[in-house]
Amino acid sequence: DGGITQSPKYLFRKEGQNVTLSCEQNLNHDAMYWYRQDPGQGLRLIYYSQIVNDFQKGDIAEGYSVSREKKESFPLTVTSAQKNPTAFYLCASGRQGANYGYTFGSGTRLTVV
Amino acid sequence: EDQVTQSPEALRLQEGESSSLNCSYTVSGLRGLFWYRQDPGKGPEFLFTLYSAGEEKEKERLKATLTKKESFLHITAPKPEDSATYLCAVNSPLDGGYNKLIFGAGTRLAVHP
Repeated sequence: DGGITQSPKYLFRKEGQNVTLSCEQNLNHDAMYWYRQDPGQGLRLIYYSQIVNDFQKGDIAEGYSVSREKKESFPLTVTSAQKNPTAFYLCASGRQGANYGYTFGSGTRLTVV
Repeated sequence: EDQVTQSPEALRLQEGESSSLNCSYTVSGLRGLFWYRQDPGKGPEFLFTLYSAGEEKEKERLKATLTKKESFLHITAPKPEDSATYLCAVNSPLDGGYNKLIFGAGTRLAVHP
């Protein structure tokens, strides 16, 4: 079955440490997205990518980095520059065209210890 | 700036007690309004897409409607398994024919037996 796989489900980060969240899709979607979810707030866009080897900053990109070396994969690195990284991170993919929504992964919960 | 506001923040219903969730939006030309269901610790699951005022979509006990300024998610005779957070989002165009979704903060629904 086609879908999006995020790993790990839970991740713990120490102060000053970089961590990488994995996102893989087998839906043959061109576009991939990373969102952050905090309690009481809507999902906020971190980065997005429309094609391989190209990606763009979203609304809250500071302290994050991404890569898109292949169509199926869009990993997110949370760097030590992100001062408040504790959140639920969601990866999504979508097709070209204004009328389509996204398919979401099951999320990674990142906690700073 | 495109914006989505959902109300109420939380809603508690008795099993069988019908109600509605509201999503008001401000966009420069609607290109699609989306409803998602999100269970705790999981990614959002797609429910409906609405494109034009007057449109309605139904799925089991859920019915989504759309006007020029807002959308409603009507829940008829809810059951405990309908308990979840319901998210509303609108399409915002990006360059290259892709889109990003702008989300509201969601409505947490709890249905008690």
